[in-house]
Amino acid sequence: DIQMTQSPSSLSASVGDRVTITCRASQSISSYLNWYQQKPGKAPKLLIYAASSLQSGVPSRFSGSGSGTDFTLTISSLQPEDFATYYCQQSYSTPPLFTFGPGTKVDIK
Amino acid sequence: QVQLQESGPGLVKPSGTLSLTCAVSGGSISSSNWWSWIRQPPGKGLEWIGEIYHSGSTNYNPSLKSRVTISVDKSKNQFSLKLSSVTAADTAVYYCARNGVYSSSWYGSIGYYYYMDVWGKGTTVTVSS
Repeated sequence: DIQMTQSPSSLSASVGDRVTITCRASQSISSYLNWYQQKPGKAPKLLIYAASSLQSGVPSRFSGSGSGTDFTLTISSLQPEDFATYYCQQSYSTPPLFTFGPGTKVDIK
Repeated sequence: QVQLQESGPGLVKPSGTLSLTCAVSGGSISSSNWWSWIRQPPGKGLEWIGEIYHSGSTNYNPSLKSRVTISVDKSKNQFSLKLSSVTAADTAVYYCARNGVYSSSWYGSIGYYYYMDVWGKGTTVTVSS
């Protein structure tokens, strides 16, 4: 099975900061990588699919990059509404087994 | 705009069967989408449970496969989850979601990129006597 890891597990940042979250797969998953944002008590929200494609309606300050085993989610200028937990997810496995990373919590410094 | 709503008992006894339904509104369950169940134990991360297509085809997480059944009711535009022999470890928020898909061709081959683009609000299920 493909295992997903994320780093850091948590970070503290200020409004306006550039934030980078890393996701690593235990084997190559090409670009089959999605990113979600989850706020407390809410369902996850899709931000990025296929490693770098921005979901409709998601602000352009969010971007994704990477392929193979190493991926990055970047928030170019952190906004108050961005404080949340972020999860990566692989969709490479056949038959399907959508594995999520453990999450990265972004909170206020 | 497609919306999903989970429903079902919030409390299930140990060794019993958890049963949830996800109602699809604003769209048809017979569209070219797969439909998933995902869960999240309190304070923990997300776990994909399985998915179903309107034809009835299913894929399950191997870690839960022996206890999971996902079914579809096209007449009611909904799909359902049954998880048997539950224990306290099955206590979680259960989400249903739509699997979106993006296709991209690369040197003559086509890749299908799946993601969960529409989510229900989630329903909390507690396993306790």
